[in-house]
Order: sequence, then structure tokens, then C-alpha cells
Amino acid sequence: RKEVEQDPGPFNVPEGATVAFNCTYSNSASQSFFWYRQDCRKEPKLLMSVYSSGNEDGRFTAQLNRASQYISLLIRDSKLSDSATYLCVVRMDSSYKLIFGSGTRLLVRP
Amino acid sequence: DGGITQSPKYLFRKEGQNVTLSCEQNLNHDAMYWYRQDPGQGLRLIYYSQIVNDFQKGDIAEGYSVSREKKESFPLTVTSAQKNPTAFYLCASNGGLMETEAFFGQGTRLTVV
Repeated sequence: RKEVEQDPGPFNVPEGATVAFNCTYSNSASQSFFWYRQDCRKEPKLLMSVYSSGNEDGRFTAQLNRASQYISLLIRDSKLSDSATYLCVVRMDSSYKLIFGSGTRLLVRP
Repeated sequence: DGGITQSPKYLFRKEGQNVTLSCEQNLNHDAMYWYRQDPGQGLRLIYYSQIVNDFQKGDIAEGYSVSREKKESFPLTVTSAQKNPTAFYLCASNGGLMETEAFFGQGTRLTVV
């Protein structure tokens, strides 16, 4: 079983739609969680960290469910510029090791 | 400007040759990482280093080697033992366990012919 799993998609949605991605992790000792965005043929960039209480940044909301070992990313009012691959990242606080999921591809159409 | 630099951006090598990818950062970060990404795939960890003169194998270390003689530098050598070396290689750095963001270089596309 992979340490971090994501639905590869693609999620094809119209502009203005709300879309949600989930990511599951296998190690219950995982403590730090992040969402990164990667554009085609570019390096990943941090979108947002995921806190235990959940957190919001504009149109983006991230949530953590420790009991079920998953994190989620909700994007409201999708824009064309949101089209990218979204990578889930997990780290145990005792380690510097960052584990990436395979990514979920989002396509926002006009 | 502070950042992380990978070079070269594109690299072509003949099969059987070793090749070294450069990664330099001036962010004063302790931790550095090497990932490999294949088309349509996520990032797989090759090696990571938490401190100078120390490094750990990731999930796909076979056929690769690294060194960390200086805090700023973490070069990756792709050896002839790596069966499928053609890929996109990404280097990253992170300030420490309390730092949330890992910064990436722009990557090196290695093609072995």
C-alpha cells in the first residue's frame, strides 16, 4: 500500500464549480500535511498547509481527519487558472522525510 | 535573491554513462531532497539529507548516489546501474522540522539515449 494515495483524476469541471479532492495516508504517526500545486512541466509550489482544525485561504479550504487518516482540499468558484495537478504531502514530525502523493489533476473549462 | 538552483535544465547522456545533477541553495536550509518524477506520476523520493555529511535513502535510491559536503550543495549522481534514468529530477530544501514549506528548484530533465 502506498504511503500517500490520491485519485489521479482528471477532474473536469466548469468555471465557477466547487470541486473537492481527498488524500489518504497510511502512517498514523504522520503529523504534518500540505497541499502543493504543480503546473505542467514546472516545479511544485506550496498551496497551503493543513492544520488540525482546518484552514481556509480565499477560495481554498483544507481539512484533516485523523481518525480516518485523510486530508481534503476544497476549491470554490473554480477559475481557469486553477487547472493544475494538486499534490498531497505528508511528513512525520520526527523526520525530515516528505512523502508526496501521485497528484490529482484538475481541468477547469470555460 | 534567495532560492534553490538546479543545473542544467536539460541534460542528454548516452546509456552507460554516469551523470551528476547540480543543486545549490542559498536559503541556509538544513534539509535537502532529491525527487524523481515520471510523466503523469507523482514525486518519488530518491535521497534526502538533514544535515551536512549525512543523508538517507528514500524509496528509490538504487542506482543513485549523493553527497552533502556543504550545506548549500546536494549533488545527485545518476549511475549506469539505474535501469530507467530518463525522468524529471527535482531538488528541494526545507529549513527544518518547524518549517512548513519546501522550496523546489526548477528541475532537470534528463534524457538517456
